[in-house]
Amino acid sequence: QGQLVQSGAEVKKPGSSVKVSCKAPGHTFKNYAISWVRQAPGQGLEWMGGIIPIFGTANYGPKFQGRLTLIADEATSTAFMILSGLRSDDTAVYFCARSLYNDYGDYFYFYDYTDVWGEGTTVTVSS
Amino acid sequence: DIQMTQSPSSLSAYVGDRVTITCRASQGISNYLAWFQQKPGKVPNLLIYGASTLQSGVPSRFSGSGSGTDFTLTISSLQPEDVATYYCQRYNSTLLTFGGGTRVEVK
Repeated sequence: QGQLVQSGAEVKKPGSSVKVSCKAPGHTFKNYAISWVRQAPGQGLEWMGGIIPIFGTANYGPKFQGRLTLIADEATSTAFMILSGLRSDDTAVYFCARSLYNDYGDYFYFYDYTDVWGEGTTVTVSS
Repeated sequence: DIQMTQSPSSLSAYVGDRVTITCRASQGISNYLAWFQQKPGKVPNLLIYGASTLQSGVPSRFSGSGSGTDFTLTISSLQPEDVATYYCQRYNSTLLTFGGGTRVEVK
């Protein structure tokens, strides 16, 4: 129910970009926001940003503004996270997760918690 | 931005002990607070939402309380399978914010 399926592990060079996908069931894609959360080795959970897939509206965490791009493809019910300018400290497991939202046009609220999570995608940044 | 601070960062207790974890918001967030359990190598699992509502299927030894800025997660009788890291999450905002986590171990 509401399963989110993520793409496989990636190994990237410093300075490059990574694109991770999160495929959602149609009901989830149409009715939920998709957030991206990362977890560096031995560290806690860090929210990066979220998108309303059907509108393409995205909110970004201050730390990731300018480096993070969130997009969605309605034809395949897939959300994507693109992180550029990769550094070694971007090595982490990246999760997608869904939550309900309220849309106010120019911005939106995550009015609910993240109740369904993807399995995570390991991104390793190494020269 | 509102910050979420958890304490302690880690704790160790005996099986059967009562365990309490605290999450403090830098500003009032009403009851828009969720708790997650994450076991090593696993995906975070929702335990509680609305500060005190138990998610379906979660054992009743878990409970949550609080409103405004101060929240607690209580395990009434610690079990070996409760070894995990616990996170609070603030929602109903343009951002989602997690606490730093509390690692729970069994002595």
